[in-house]
Amino acid sequence: QSALTQPASVSGSPGQSITISCTGSSSDIGTYDYVSWYQQHPGKAPKLMIYDVSNRPSGLSNRFSGSKSGNTASLTISGLQAEDEADYYCSSFTISSIMVFGGGTKLTVL
Amino acid sequence: QVQLAESGGGLVKPGGSLRLSCAASGFIFSDYYMSWIRQAPGKGLEWVSYIGGHGITIYYGDSVKGRFIISRDNAKNSLYLQMNSLRAEDTAVYYCARRGMGQLHDYWGAGSLVTVSS
Repeated sequence: QSALTQPASVSGSPGQSITISCTGSSSDIGTYDYVSWYQQHPGKAPKLMIYDVSNRPSGLSNRFSGSKSGNTASLTISGLQAEDEADYYCSSFTISSIMVFGGGTKLTVL
Repeated sequence: QVQLAESGGGLVKPGGSLRLSCAASGFIFSDYYMSWIRQAPGKGLEWVSYIGGHGITIYYGDSVKGRFIISRDNAKNSLYLQMNSLRAEDTAVYYCARRGMGQLHDYWGAGSLVTVSS
């Protein structure tokens, strides 16, 4: 099972919006609405940000949103803040009943 | 509150074995699937394995299939990962994570470092 494809890095200025893409296949993202996104700060455990493509866990800022089209999912962060600088990973369930992660995207807030 | 705490990591020689444990609290452990997910130094996340609430449903990633064994003891609220025939490429921080209702990981432990080196 191949990893999902994410851009290695994205950047944006405070207040701007950025979008991180996550491309899979018909074996994962294209078949299931089971895409989740995780934020990881250096030396910390990942934190769930989005699940089931576009749902936010309780209490999470609505600046974070998710979507999907075909085999590609996207995470959008609006009103970028300094604390958003982190690594972001997408994940999907697959037709083999296993799970797969993306390679990760480093977000830099300029 | 939900808490997950891994233990058992350390330095092991290639070909050796190690058993990781994850102590869970703050939720009904047997109600949830649990996963092991690892992260090699400076690299991304890699899903390793998951197990159903009563230990019947089990899946492994291709890189560990046949070498690692996931198990759980619901009476002790504990998750385990028996790692055999370890290789240098198994060096990573190993996280245990709760699979929430669906295909997501809503709570993660702090991780346990496993180093495979001679």
